[in-house]
Amino acid sequence: QKEVEQDPGPLSVPEGAIVSLNCTYSNSAFQYFMWYRQYSRKGPELLMYTYSSGNKEDGRFTAQVDKSSKYISLFIRDSQPSDSATYLCAYTIQGAQKLVFGQGTRLTINP
Amino acid sequence: GAGVSQTPSNKVTEKGKYVELRCDPISGHTALYWYRQSLGQGPEFLIYFQGTGAADDSGLPNDRFFAVRPEGSVSTLKIQRTERGDSAMYLCASSPSRDTEAFFGQGTRLTVV
Repeated sequence: QKEVEQDPGPLSVPEGAIVSLNCTYSNSAFQYFMWYRQYSRKGPELLMYTYSSGNKEDGRFTAQVDKSSKYISLFIRDSQPSDSATYLCAYTIQGAQKLVFGQGTRLTINP
Repeated sequence: GAGVSQTPSNKVTEKGKYVELRCDPISGHTALYWYRQSLGQGPEFLIYFQGTGAADDSGLPNDRFFAVRPEGSVSTLKIQRTERGDSAMYLCASSPSRDTEAFFGQGTRLTVV
């Protein structure tokens, strides 16, 4: 079993829709949770960083963490064509320093 | 510069050759990471530096791969006797300290022909 499972998509939605992206993980030692956005042929860009269960909001983006279910989500409200990218979930263990990434979900927002 | 800088952005080399990939982290960041990303996959950890020393090199696939950070700032990833399977995007990231967010560079796309 992979440490991190993420549906690779592709996911295609109309502009303005609410997008839900999800990851599950198996390692209960994971303590820090991140979402990265990666445009084609570019490096990943950090969107959200959290270490506690619950919701964290930043503009149109909301990260949700459920440690009891080992499940994290990223919601994008009022999606825009510029949100079209691959979204990567990532985890780390305190003190371990290395990030463990999901496969990435390729998202397309259609105008 | 404001972000992590990686050079070159693209590198094409012949099988068996030696290559060096450079990473210039955000000024003041003590932690530096190298990752490798194959097409359609998430990045995979290679090595982590805290200051000048490699604190975790457990992700290096074999002894053809080596990385240094002699002065605690710029890092170089070195690959000897390159193989076609080494073709990938090589990403560098830095963070201010332990247990904080990592910021990535734009990557070096390595193609071994």
